[in-house]
Amino acid sequence: EAGVVQSPRYKIIEKKQPVAFWCNPISGHNTLYWYRQNLGQGPELLIRYENEEAVDDSQLPKDRFSAERLKGVDSTLKIQPAELGDSAVYLCASSPRDRGHEETQYFGPGTRLLVL
Amino acid sequence: GNSVTQMEGPVTLSEEAFLTINCTYTATGYPSLFWYVQYPGEGLQLLLKATKADDKGSNKGFEATYRKETTSFHLEKGSVQVSDSAVYFCALQNNAGNMLTFGGGTRLMVKP
Repeated sequence: EAGVVQSPRYKIIEKKQPVAFWCNPISGHNTLYWYRQNLGQGPELLIRYENEEAVDDSQLPKDRFSAERLKGVDSTLKIQPAELGDSAVYLCASSPRDRGHEETQYFGPGTRLLVL
Repeated sequence: GNSVTQMEGPVTLSEEAFLTINCTYTATGYPSLFWYVQYPGEGLQLLLKATKADDKGSNKGFEATYRKETTSFHLEKGSVQVSDSAVYFCALQNNAGNMLTFGGGTRLMVKP
């Protein structure tokens, strides 16, 4: 079974430029998560989708970050404009069940972003 | 709110040494507890989990027991290998089964 796929793996941009990350979750997984992992720290949740609905985006900086999950499968996370402090690894994860059930989250390899 | 505290690294051991990485948590209710491992340049992989008090999760020689009385989930392995060198993250998942809260990670370096 294929795992969570993310692209690109690495991205270097100049500040104030836009950037987008793409995630394809494990087939059949309804729940999709985006996390940000700063250097030397654990991941922190940015947004969680149940199918195509964003059910928890309280940690997403909405002034510059946006996300979508059209058709409840693939998802895109965008930053516009990027700032130096956005340099981090952006992780996508998916799990099979809807809200209210404990389900293991499976992580992709991440996109490492460097903003110069 | 929920929080996870891990021992700071790096932890440096010789091959075949005994490993303990401490993890304690603060949470309301009865969370599920996890250990994830991150090898260099890769994403997080689930190592083991426990969903209720006194459960023991185990995988690849690693073990951790869910201790509600001490709010701990310490990771142990009897004999580490060089290939175990990685960053280990303790995490909890709340009752609603959604958000994971991670500790800061502990880097393990195993020398031949």
